[in-house]
Amino acid sequence: QQQVKQSPQSLIVQKGGISIINCAYENTAFDYFPWYQQFPGKGPALLIAIRPDVSEKKEGRFTISFNKSAKQFSLHIMDSQPGDSATYFCAASTRQWDKVIFGPGTSLSVIP
Amino acid sequence: EPEVTQTPSHQVTQMGQEVILRCVPISNHLYFYWYRQILGQKVEFLVSFYNNEISEKSEIFDDQFSVERPDGSNFTLKIRSTKLEDSAMYFCASSDTGSDQPQHFGDGTRLSIL
Repeated sequence: QQQVKQSPQSLIVQKGGISIINCAYENTAFDYFPWYQQFPGKGPALLIAIRPDVSEKKEGRFTISFNKSAKQFSLHIMDSQPGDSATYFCAASTRQWDKVIFGPGTSLSVIP
Repeated sequence: EPEVTQTPSHQVTQMGQEVILRCVPISNHLYFYWYRQILGQKVEFLVSFYNNEISEKSEIFDDQFSVERPDGSNFTLKIRSTKLEDSAMYFCASSDTGSDQPQHFGDGTRLSIL
């Protein structure tokens, strides 16, 4: 029940296209859903986060959509750029200072 | 922007040896964490630390592991007798209190057990 599922495992998108990563969870006690971006040799860096009382949050080219009843959330990267090529992790926690449960990650490659 | 700093970036140790991984969290943060990431796998929670004591630990964090905040700036993870399966990236993270304070991660220590 602590698991966060994530798909696809890998994604190849053309420059300018939309990248979509989907996640699902079971534990209804989760109250905070961050997305982390990780480049090779670096630690996870917070990209954007959402709480379940909000259905959508947008920051620049990055948008989280949240469906509380379905216990699903997704990340959309608009106008994808080669510099967006990284591993993306969806995650969940019961509070922001609680342990973060990570999804298995999606390796995104944006090709010119 | 303040950063979480981890040293060393790469540690090579013989199986059975003790290893200490070091972290300097962001200075005004009060919550500290260790996570690990085995190559190609997801990031896994190990332990959280608040107010000078462990607040939660995972099943991975057995008696071979310990954490310490020896002074006001460092946060360490010790593995007493390393095993081959301890080879992984170890990430330290810290966060402040408050409703909009996410966890900030360091760049990790790659631990290689020979």
